[in-house]
Amino acid sequence: EVRLLESGGGLVQPGGSLRLSCEASGFIFSAYGMTWVRQTPGKGLEDVAVISGSGSSTYYADSVKGRFTISRDNSNNTLYLQMSALRAEDTAVYYCAVSRGFLGAFFDYWGQGTLISVSS
Amino acid sequence: EVVLTQSPGTLSLSPGERAALSCRASQSVNNNYLAWYQQKPGQAPRLLIYGASSRATGIPDRFSGSGSETDFTLTINRLESEDFAVYYCQQYGSSPRTFGQGTKVEIK
Repeated sequence: EVRLLESGGGLVQPGGSLRLSCEASGFIFSAYGMTWVRQTPGKGLEDVAVISGSGSSTYYADSVKGRFTISRDNSNNTLYLQMSALRAEDTAVYYCAVSRGFLGAFFDYWGQGTLISVSS
Repeated sequence: EVVLTQSPGTLSLSPGERAALSCRASQSVNNNYLAWYQQKPGQAPRLLIYGASSRATGIPDRFSGSGSETDFTLTINRLESEDFAVYYCQQYGSSPRTFGQGTKVEIK
């Protein structure tokens, strides 16, 4: 059974930093692309950051480029999102999601999500 | 980027009825790389359909996807109580991947 468990969410002040983690199990982690997807009532669902199975390729949405860093530890089956210079508009539920490829792939599985609130 | 527009915004139906949800793309979706997801309150989205018409593992056959290029449809035959949820389409044929804004299927 595929399981994705996000952690690290919470309340943070504007300009602050946060690191999200996603512990994966039930599949060969290194063989799959991983994505952080966020969801807000206003903008809906959007890819935030994507990483290939090996970790050699990454993609960032323009809105987070230069502020967020996606990484993965294939030896520990864990995905990360380092978030800095956070803004109010980063407030969202963040999901980690699994895909069979890098960018040109749908999401087979999603984690349960973790809420990030950026507010003073 | 490819903009996906879903309609209607809300569909009010009774159990046993058939639902037809539309997803229109601002440009042709490469290789018909169009997926549908179901999301219930407080839960993550769940994959239903990929490649416009292929059902994901474990998805009942009352769910079907059709369409090509810019016009896609998710059909749910004989709605059951657990089908009342929000449905999203996603295109993954072009970068960036994009999602529609969702269609809520509610109990009439």
